[in-house]
Amino acid sequence: AQSVTQLDSQVPVFEEAPVELRCNYSSSVSVYLFWYVQYPNQGLQLLLKYLSGSTLVKGINGFEAEFNKSQTSFHLRKPSVHISDTAEYFCAVIVPDGGATNKLIFGTGTLLAVQP
Amino acid sequence: DTAVSQTPKYLVTQMGNDKSIKCEQNLGHDTMYWYKQDSKKFLKIMFSYNNKELIINETVPNRFSPKSPDKAHLNLHINSLELGDSAVYFCASSPRGNEKLFFGSGTQLSVL
Repeated sequence: AQSVTQLDSQVPVFEEAPVELRCNYSSSVSVYLFWYVQYPNQGLQLLLKYLSGSTLVKGINGFEAEFNKSQTSFHLRKPSVHISDTAEYFCAVIVPDGGATNKLIFGTGTLLAVQP
Repeated sequence: DTAVSQTPKYLVTQMGNDKSIKCEQNLGHDTMYWYKQDSKKFLKIMFSYNNKELIINETVPNRFSPKSPDKAHLNLHINSLELGDSAVYFCASSPRGNEKLFFGSGTQLSVL
């Protein structure tokens, strides 16, 4: 079975500082990897995804993530954060099986708290 | 012009009642989902339908019954509500063969 671990439940950071949110996954087969963001009282939005190819993936709002197969990691980074980046960030995986549906398995989330 | 819309946004009810949450998507997607987010923000899939057919049914009490009258709608009916059902329920949809999910803004269910 697949699982996703987000090591930090909360990451406080000052505005304009860089940030890294950690994500590790466990799977015996290849997976697709995702980062979703949830702003307060809203649904989830896709930030970025890794399916195949280049291991460095760029997403919206200046975020990027790097897939590291040997370390089974998919850490999310941003060089300079803004107050508006304060949100809950979820790492997730899908096992691609060519089927019609995608069963997203989520990590427990990391609250990014940007302080002025 | 909301892509995935859920109603109601908030639902407060007593234990033992029966309630429904509605979901509609206007994206033309074939697949729809229900996810549950608990008080610790943990998200877990409950059900998935593809073109009105049940595809994924996780270990969910049979008090929860999804219904898909057409591929644009996936409603969730809950019988005999319990305190532990309190959570935020998210509807989502995706195109067939596409891994990107589009989420609704959630329904916060509080069982008293």
